[in-house]
Amino acid sequence: KAGVTQTPRYLIKTRGQQVTLSCSPISGHRSVSWYQQTPGQGLQFLFEYFSETQRNKGNFPGRFSGRQFSNSRSEMNVSTLELGDSALYLCASSLGQSVDYGYTFGSGTRLTVV
Amino acid sequence: AQTVTQSQPEMSVQEAETVTLSCTYDTSESDYYLFWYKQPPSRQMILVIRQEAYKQQNATENRFSVNFQKAAKSFSLKISDSQLGDAAMYFCAYYTGTASKLTFGTGTRLQVTL
Repeated sequence: KAGVTQTPRYLIKTRGQQVTLSCSPISGHRSVSWYQQTPGQGLQFLFEYFSETQRNKGNFPGRFSGRQFSNSRSEMNVSTLELGDSALYLCASSLGQSVDYGYTFGSGTRLTVV
Repeated sequence: AQTVTQSQPEMSVQEAETVTLSCTYDTSESDYYLFWYKQPPSRQMILVIRQEAYKQQNATENRFSVNFQKAAKSFSLKISDSQLGDAAMYFCAYYTGTASKLTFGTGTRLQVTL
């Protein structure tokens, strides 16, 4: 079956703009989590959505937001981009009922803010 | 707060040899999961192996096995018969239902030489 699909793969934005990233989970998976990966901070948890509800949120400013649709697809939005938002954004999906099966990750969206 | 420490930024192993990657974690929880993820240049995080804290038996997946020492809060990954395709960043990760998120270590870059 298809894996976790993230679009776009690469994105270049200007400081001050906003951006929306998309994640389509594995069919049947109801939980979608987002992580930011940077050389300096490593992998940091942004938020998790389950059945269209935000279930958990990391320590990021309010410029970072997300949502999940009824088909479990998720989007994350970053407003008023800063240079420090340049990162690889990874999406992970899971069944949501148990972490026994682990999380399946997508290939990420590489965001560059100039 | 839970923390995960990987003290080896880089490791090198010859093809067909065995290598062990170290991971320690800090937690006050008794029920949790531990994972090793591999991230090749393609950027996708691939689940290598997982361990449930309540299981005393060490997990094994083909050439990959772990040494889980719960009292010492240690979770090392052993790769046997190393192959060129094993070259990647390896991340140790921790999960509890309480936090409902993965907490990652800083990663170990594994190089496989001929």
